Amino acid sequence: TQLLEQSPQFLSIQEGENLTVYCNSSSVFSSLQWYRQEPGEGPVLLVTVVTGGEVKKLKRLTFQFGDARKDSSLHITAAQPGDTGLYLCAGAKGGSQGNLIFGKGTKLSVKP
Amino acid sequence: DAGVTQSPTHLIKTRGQQVTLRCSPKSGHDTVSWYQQALGQGPQFIFQYYEEEERQRGNFPDRFSGHQFPNYSSELNVNALLLGDSALYLCASSFEGGRGYGYTFGSGTRLTVV
Repeated sequence: TQLLEQSPQFLSIQEGENLTVYCNSSSVFSSLQWYRQEPGEGPVLLVTVVTGGEVKKLKRLTFQFGDARKDSSLHITAAQPGDTGLYLCAGAKGGSQGNLIFGKGTKLSVKP
Repeated sequence: DAGVTQSPTHLIKTRGQQVTLRCSPKSGHDTVSWYQQALGQGPQFIFQYYEEEERQRGNFPDRFSGHQFPNYSSELNVNALLLGDSALYLCASSFEGGRGYGYTFGSGTRLTVV
């Protein structure tokens, strides 16, 4: 059972466009993390959101945690080719460190 | 400051064989988690080690076992390899005091079972 659904699965856009990636679940998470993964590499943590309704910004990336802590979104403004990669959301339940539940990811391609 | 180091980077094994993968956590981290990432999928949690003991385990058979050493490094062992075990195996380290907010992943070991 896939507890975290990410959409879209694939996204191909031109440099300069804006985009939003969604991460949805019927489960409540104590925190949600977003990672970016490039081919042949491990995921790199971008942000952790903890509080329902929380919004965090990282340069051109804006992350939001849903009020009910069941969903999250990642918005990229003026995408650049360097943003290309696999974007993964991962939810943590309870206070434990282990057992991050990952979505399948959104594969983003930004063309110059 | 070195991040998480995994070895080997690539490995080819035959069905039925056994394999050992190794992980050195980021300096200052004391907790190691292992994940399996099949092609086109997100990582799936295998287990987590803290204070040299398995603290949590995902839905993986007993063929998957591990160990953590006093220096916090860890090994993942898989016995009786199946074709379906072919995947990228990721090690993630964190600091217990960070309460899950600071995972660092290694680049992974690509295991191919033929």
